Parts: sequence; C-alpha cells; structure tokens
Amino acid sequence: AQSVTQPDIHITVSEGASLELRCNYSYGATPYLFWYVQSPGQGLQLLLKYFSGDTLVQGIKGFEAEFKRSQSSFNLRKPSVHWSDAAEYFCAVGAQNAGNMLTFGGGTRLMVKP
Amino acid sequence: EPEVTQTPSHQVTQMGQEVILRCVPISNHLYFYWYRQILGQKVEFLVSFYNNEISEKSEIFDDQFSVERPDGSNFTLKIRSTKLEDSAMYFCASRVSPEKLFFGSGTQLSVL
Repeated sequence: AQSVTQPDIHITVSEGASLELRCNYSYGATPYLFWYVQSPGQGLQLLLKYFSGDTLVQGIKGFEAEFKRSQSSFNLRKPSVHWSDAAEYFCAVGAQNAGNMLTFGGGTRLMVKP
Repeated sequence: EPEVTQTPSHQVTQMGQEVILRCVPISNHLYFYWYRQILGQKVEFLVSFYNNEISEKSEIFDDQFSVERPDGSNFTLKIRSTKLEDSAMYFCASRVSPEKLFFGSGTQLSVL
C-alpha cells in the first residue's frame, strides 16, 4: 500500500528566508508525486507534480521540488518565502493507473513571520 | 482557468438524516473523485468514478455512501444516514489526464 509521511506538522520561517518542506513516500513502483497547497477555507491547489523525466520540477508561485528515488523523497523548496505563502501544504502520491487515487500526507502548516 | 464547483459550501444536518453533496466537474473531464478531510487529519480518498461506474473505493466508502452522475454535468455524493463521524470537509475532484487533478473548494459538512 502506498503511504506518505510529512515529518513536520508545523514550520515557521521568516519572510524572505528559504523554505524546505519534507515529504517521504512509500510505493512499490514509480509513483506520481504531487504537492498541493490549501489556504484557509479554500480547496486544494496543485503547486507542482512529478511524473517522469527531470527529477527537479518547477511549479507555480516560485516553488520547486526534487524527486530522489534513493531516498523516497519529494521535498518542496522555495528560495524566498512571502507572507502570502502561509498555508497548509500537502504532499501526495498517486498510482500510475487509470484510477490514479491519491494518498495524501498529513500536511505541514507553514507560518511566515514578518 | 476552469474550476470544479461544489455546493453548498457549508451543510449542517442532524444525525441520521440524508445529505447530498453536489459537484459540477470541469466539462470535458472523464474521471471524478470524492475525498474528505476530517478536521486535523489527512485528506482521504473515498471513491473514484469513470464511465458511469465506481472504479475504486476506499474502506470508508461503505453502504451508507453512494455516488451518482445524474446528468451530463453534476456529480453527487449521498450519505444515507449521517453519523457524527461523517463531519468533515468533502472535496470533489475531476481530471482528464493523470497529471492534473482539479479539486473543488469543498463542502464543510457538520453533523449534529
């Protein structure tokens, strides 16, 4: 069975500082990997995804993530955080089949200090 | 950008009552999903729907739950007899291709 672990429940960074959110997954084959962001009262917005090819993927809002197969990780990064990035971030893994059900991690709540 | 629309945004119901959560997926999408998020917990998969039938469902999706695509545009989730533990945010999602799954903004269901 597939699973996703986000070890950090809460992270606080200063505005302008760099950010890395950790994600580790367990899956028997090559996964599809996603990062979603959820602002309060909002739905889930896709930040970026990895399916194949280049292991460093770029997303919206200046985010990037790197797929490391040897570490079963897909960490999300941003070089300089903005106050508007405060939200909850979810890593998810999906199977490469027609159903493509996603399994989500528990989320990391990001707070940004001025 | 096209979006998945969910109504209502909040639904309050009494335990034992039936509720129907409504979703309008993006018009050319073929695969439809329901997920839920109990407060403070993970987003959990409930069911996927393709070609007018359920393609996958989780253990959560028991006989109290059903889904339907009653016409060409709506996708509904029905809970026949709600329980307190059904209180959650319910997300609808749809896609054409695996790499882009669009989520709605959710319906917050409160069972009293």
